Amino acid sequence: GAGVSQSPRYKVAKRGQDVALRCDPISGHVSLFWYQQALGQGPEFLTYFQNEAQLDKSGLPSDRFFAERPEGSVSTLKIQRTQQEDSAVYLCASSLDGAAPYNEQFFGPGTRLTVL
Amino acid sequence: KQEVTQIPAALSVPEGENLVLNCSFTDSAIYNLQWFRQDPGKGLTSLLLIQSSQREQTSGRLNASLDKSSGRSTLYIAASQPGDSATYLCAVRGSNYQLIWGAGTKLIIKP
Repeated sequence: GAGVSQSPRYKVAKRGQDVALRCDPISGHVSLFWYQQALGQGPEFLTYFQNEAQLDKSGLPSDRFFAERPEGSVSTLKIQRTQQEDSAVYLCASSLDGAAPYNEQFFGPGTRLTVL
Repeated sequence: KQEVTQIPAALSVPEGENLVLNCSFTDSAIYNLQWFRQDPGKGLTSLLLIQSSQREQTSGRLNASLDKSSGRSTLYIAASQPGDSATYLCAVRGSNYQLIWGAGTKLIIKP
């Protein structure tokens, strides 16, 4: 269908609150990625799914971060007990098959999280 | 560990000029390199993707080149316009699926 969508586009949270960020990948895309982009920086890898399997979560900065993709389509990134350093844009990308080296990743518009 | 550097961090030029943005990477074992555009408050727009076997890609006024052996890529923008103002990011894909990104070049085209 259409491109990758993410919701909400903007989220303001008080420090200590839990937040959930949603990503709807392109229909039929097997692979899904989450990236974190701090202000003035390039994105950094957080985690990767192949269908419903989370194959790599090495980029998650702490155990407060949790991602899931239970049915191999929509994914949710959850951040517990948010801290100010979590403020960033969270980008989701999908690809036909992330393991295939030449497949392009397609990005959503991102969710801008601000923690007060 | 792959590192990607973009120079300059910011660039301001008058409208109509041709310009070059630079991207360098430390590990030449890449599968592809991609240039993106990011407008304030908006997501990423893919501009050009160069596979490791390619030397360059062109789209309209944009031309991206890749020299794997030297770990460099350039994005050439011809006849710049105010609408080209944005942050330009390059990202490389190595042997795993992760994209490794530069910090971007913030481009301002003055009318």
